[in-house]
Amino acid sequence: EPEVTQTPSHQVTQMGQEVILRCVPISNHLYFYWYRQILGQKVEFLVSFYNNEISEKSEIFDDQFSVERPDGSNFTLKIRSTKLEDSAMYFCASRTSSNTGELFFGEGSRLTVL
Amino acid sequence: RKEVEQDPGPFNVPEGATVAFNCTYSNSASQSFFWYRQDCRKEPKLLMSVYSSGNEDGRFTAQLNRASQYISLLIRDSKLSDSATYLCVVNRLSGNTPLVFGKGTRLSVIA
Repeated sequence: EPEVTQTPSHQVTQMGQEVILRCVPISNHLYFYWYRQILGQKVEFLVSFYNNEISEKSEIFDDQFSVERPDGSNFTLKIRSTKLEDSAMYFCASRTSSNTGELFFGEGSRLTVL
Repeated sequence: RKEVEQDPGPFNVPEGATVAFNCTYSNSASQSFFWYRQDCRKEPKLLMSVYSSGNEDGRFTAQLNRASQYISLLIRDSKLSDSATYLCVVNRLSGNTPLVFGKGTRLSVIA
């Protein structure tokens, strides 16, 4: 069964460091997303991406965040200068169609900022 | 008012019990509705979509009341493996708009 894959599964970093989280969406999917979940909190939308550009972003997704699809398969989330409050599980997700297709999530990348 | 609200639980029920979860959403323009399941420290996985006419998938029944902006999930004959957090999820508008998640309702099924 096709799946969304994410790396790394866990990253520990020092405050102020740059972090890149990587995702390989399912190959025939067109819509890509990053969500995050702080421990014990709800899953929160960060950004959606379609046709090589950002479709929508939340207020969480400030200038410290960026996304890229550099080579047609990888979809990356970069946090330029991490803060303690960026510690969370980051989920990549993808789907085929805009609002009716099932959203498939990767297993997540756990980011711990010290 | 939160966009998607759920009773956080926990609901502790014995095996074989029937349990119901409720969810309300604030945006009347919402188009699509889902229940996702999330196991501890895992990714959310789609349990079922929720249709206006109501729908059933085995032991699971989902209902939607657009007038009251209310969604429900009923689990019959609970199994130990049903223990998880159940997330109510709403798609605000048509097109590529993001899913909005409730905080989830925690279910523990006890032997």
